[in-house]
Amino acid sequence: QVQLVQSGAEVKKPGASVKVSCKASGYTFTSYYMHWVRQAPGQGLEWMGIINPGGSTSYAQKFQGRVTVTRDTSTSTVYMELSSLRSEDTAIYYCARDSPSSNFFDYWGQGTLVTVAS
Amino acid sequence: QSALTQPRSVSGSPGQSVTISCTGTSSDVGGYNFVSWYQQHPDKAPKVMIYDVSKRPSGVPDRFSGSKSGNTASLTISGLQAEDEADYYCCSYAGSSYVFGPGTKVTVL
Repeated sequence: QVQLVQSGAEVKKPGASVKVSCKASGYTFTSYYMHWVRQAPGQGLEWMGIINPGGSTSYAQKFQGRVTVTRDTSTSTVYMELSSLRSEDTAIYYCARDSPSSNFFDYWGQGTLVTVAS
Repeated sequence: QSALTQPRSVSGSPGQSVTISCTGTSSDVGGYNFVSWYQQHPDKAPKVMIYDVSKRPSGVPDRFSGSKSGNTASLTISGLQAEDEADYYCCSYAGSSYVFGPGTKVTVL
């Protein structure tokens, strides 16, 4: 069965960077795109970016220059690094697999809480 | 990219139907048949309920249905059940990015 298991909660100071991991299993990792979506406390979902099977990435304009999504095919893991953190970046960060049949998110990780506080 | 527009909340009694609207623009909802809907219970990850405007993934009850007219998509829950109480988010492909609505809280009275 498809599983996306994310790394644990993080607490960071303003200006720092955070790197969240998402380990995939139960499917052919190199055949699927992966997205990152975040959710601030009590707020809605926000799309951040995507990495394709070839390793190319595309990011939401809002995060351009601050977010980097990478992958390690040897461990079937995708990473999302967000830099220059500010308090507004406090959120739950989800990885979500792109459906092979269309443009939607068919499986989600459990989420990783990133707290930015001085 | 601006977020899509959804009502903040809707409510209904068990067995009734509720409909959630999701309004975008010709650059997202109106431009592609790639609208999806996600259900999120408290402290849980979202779960897809509808994709490609009106398709249901395997395992999603048929009381959930989707449609679209112009720049507005809709999710209808027929025969409302207690377990349907949750937040619902619409999402649209926007040509190299994705945009979500702010979410609608569905309350079962």
